[in-house]
Amino acid sequence: KQEVTQIPAALSVPEGENLVLNCSFTDSAIYNLQWFRQDPGKGLTSLLLIQSSQREQTSGRLNASLDKSSGRSTLYIAASQPGDSATYLCAVRSEKLVFGKGMKLTVNP
Amino acid sequence: GAGVSQSPSNKVTEKGKDVELRCDPISGHTALYWYRQRLGQGLEFLIYFQGNSAPDKSGLPSDRFSAERTGESVSTLTIQRTQQEDSAVYLCASSLSTSAPQETQYFGPGTRLLVL
Repeated sequence: KQEVTQIPAALSVPEGENLVLNCSFTDSAIYNLQWFRQDPGKGLTSLLLIQSSQREQTSGRLNASLDKSSGRSTLYIAASQPGDSATYLCAVRSEKLVFGKGMKLTVNP
Repeated sequence: GAGVSQSPSNKVTEKGKDVELRCDPISGHTALYWYRQRLGQGLEFLIYFQGNSAPDKSGLPSDRFSAERTGESVSTLTIQRTQQEDSAVYLCASSLSTSAPQETQYFGPGTRLLVL
């Protein structure tokens, strides 16, 4: 059974810091890995999707890497801003999309 | 519409009552998914539809939960005889197809259900 873990559960940082969010998964037989953002009272917004054959994806200040063999992914956020405050969810797609519990990020001005 | 929509956005009900949650997927998306997110927990998969068929109902927590989809469009998740542990955010997502697992799922804003 696929399990996805995100540690820590919460992070509070001052504005401007470069951040590293970690995600680990137990079964490396995946189609892809996806990072989502969830704002309070809103649904999930897909940030980056990395196919199993890829090593990383970039979008603006975000960069996600995937090491399938070790069951790890990292989301880098460069020059964090208060608007980045949200819960970040990692999800892996095998038979189903399996989510981690998320990491609540607070970026303080 | 431009995205996945869900209604109602919030629902408060009394224990024992039935509730219906609605999802309107993105037009043309044949795959539709329901998830549940309890407070402090990750998203739990409930059920998915490919067209109007539900090949995988394994995530439904109990026989009080059921879902249907018509016209390869709107889906309804029904919870009968609601219990307090059913309180959660119910999220719907859609994608072009389930046969292409590399495709992104697009999520709706969710329905926040509170059972008193």
